[in-house]
Amino acid sequence: DQQVKQNSPSLSVQEGRISILNCDYTNSMFDYFLWYKKYPAEGPTFLISISSIKDKNEDGRFTVFLNKSAKHLSLHIVPSQPGDSAVYFCAASDNQGGKLIFGQGTELSVKP
Amino acid sequence: DAGITQSPRHKVTETGTPVTLRCHQTENHRYMYWYRQDPGHGLRLIHYSYGVKDTDKGEVSDGYSVSRSKTEDFLLTLESATSSQTSVYFCAIGLTSYNEQFFGPGTRLTVL
Repeated sequence: DQQVKQNSPSLSVQEGRISILNCDYTNSMFDYFLWYKKYPAEGPTFLISISSIKDKNEDGRFTVFLNKSAKHLSLHIVPSQPGDSAVYFCAASDNQGGKLIFGQGTELSVKP
Repeated sequence: DAGITQSPRHKVTETGTPVTLRCHQTENHRYMYWYRQDPGHGLRLIHYSYGVKDTDKGEVSDGYSVSRSKTEDFLLTLESATSSQTSVYFCAIGLTSYNEQFFGPGTRLTVL
């Protein structure tokens, strides 16, 4: 039973355009959401997060949107750069014991 | 970057042998985690620790045990390795019970 789902295994975008990565969740108790970025042969690195009391959080080129009624969050990258090519994981937490539940990941390819 | 190291970085072993992976942190974070990453599954929590000698099971704990005798070290043991435990293993640390976790570089384990 996958509580956090990333239904697109891959996404290809042209450099300079917007990348939109999506994530759906089923547990209404989740109240904190995170995005991680992972390059090959490296550990995931934290990118951006959002609390359930907000619907948007911005950090430079990265914006995360949260739609609680739809149980959906998205990560927007504008403008996309070739260095953004990586696997992106969304994760969620219900503040019960410090556990994060991760999605399956979406591999983003930004083409020059 | 958070000071997290994992050893070994790569290991090949045979079915039925015991294997221990080590995670070492220099950040004095209270929480430590072991995940495995497999294609199509994202990152799945194996075990975690919320203090010295305090550990709990995650989503995929069968066949794994952990120990934490010092704040800085978290060991993951496969008592009798099986081919299904071939994976990339990541250690993570966290300062609080939720919010962001910081990941180590990973250990690639192959069980023949």
